[in-house]
Amino acid sequence: AQSVSQHNHHVILSEAASLELGCNYSYGGTVNLFWYVQYPGQHLQLLLKYFSGDPLVKGIKGFEAEFIKSKFSFNLRKPSVQWSDTAEYFCAVKSGGYNKLIFGAGTRLAVHP
Amino acid sequence: DVKVTQSSRYLVKRTGEKVFLECVQDMDHENMFWYRQDPGLGLRLIYFSYDVKMKEKGDIPEGYSVSREKKERFSLILESASTNQTSMYLCASSLATFYGYTFGSGTRLTVV
Repeated sequence: AQSVSQHNHHVILSEAASLELGCNYSYGGTVNLFWYVQYPGQHLQLLLKYFSGDPLVKGIKGFEAEFIKSKFSFNLRKPSVQWSDTAEYFCAVKSGGYNKLIFGAGTRLAVHP
Repeated sequence: DVKVTQSSRYLVKRTGEKVFLECVQDMDHENMFWYRQDPGLGLRLIYFSYDVKMKEKGDIPEGYSVSREKKERFSLILESASTNQTSMYLCASSLATFYGYTFGSGTRLTVV
């Protein structure tokens, strides 16, 4: 079965530092890829998604992600983080039939002022 | 904006009780999902439904059942609650995967 690995469970950065969160999925074929964010006390929100076309996708709040098919990866990046980016980030993949998503374990990001 | 409403934010139940978690969405979405969220494990799919009265098992269906009698409502049932079902339960709905999911605020269930 499809699975998703997020390598970093906790990341601590200072404001203005660059961010890269890793995400790998287990096998190929046609996949749709997502990053969701959960700010403290809030519900999960969609950050960005990849379906097809340009492998570099841009999302909300200055986030972007690059789909590298050969590496089964979909890493999330932001050039300069802010304190307000403190949240938990989840990578998710859809493969096969139905509309269900498989989520990774999440990465907790803490940004210090 | 699509709204997904979960009936309770916090619940405390006793071991062996039958527990109902309710979820309602207001945008006529075909697909609805129940996940549980645990630290270090992320979101794990319990059950999902792609139409009224239709349901499919997710990755961890044991100890749970679901009901979808109306399109807007998807209920998760814990037949006999156990302490290992203490968790945050998230409901989501989706028109189609392309649009992503809309999540509810979650129900934090504690089984004592």
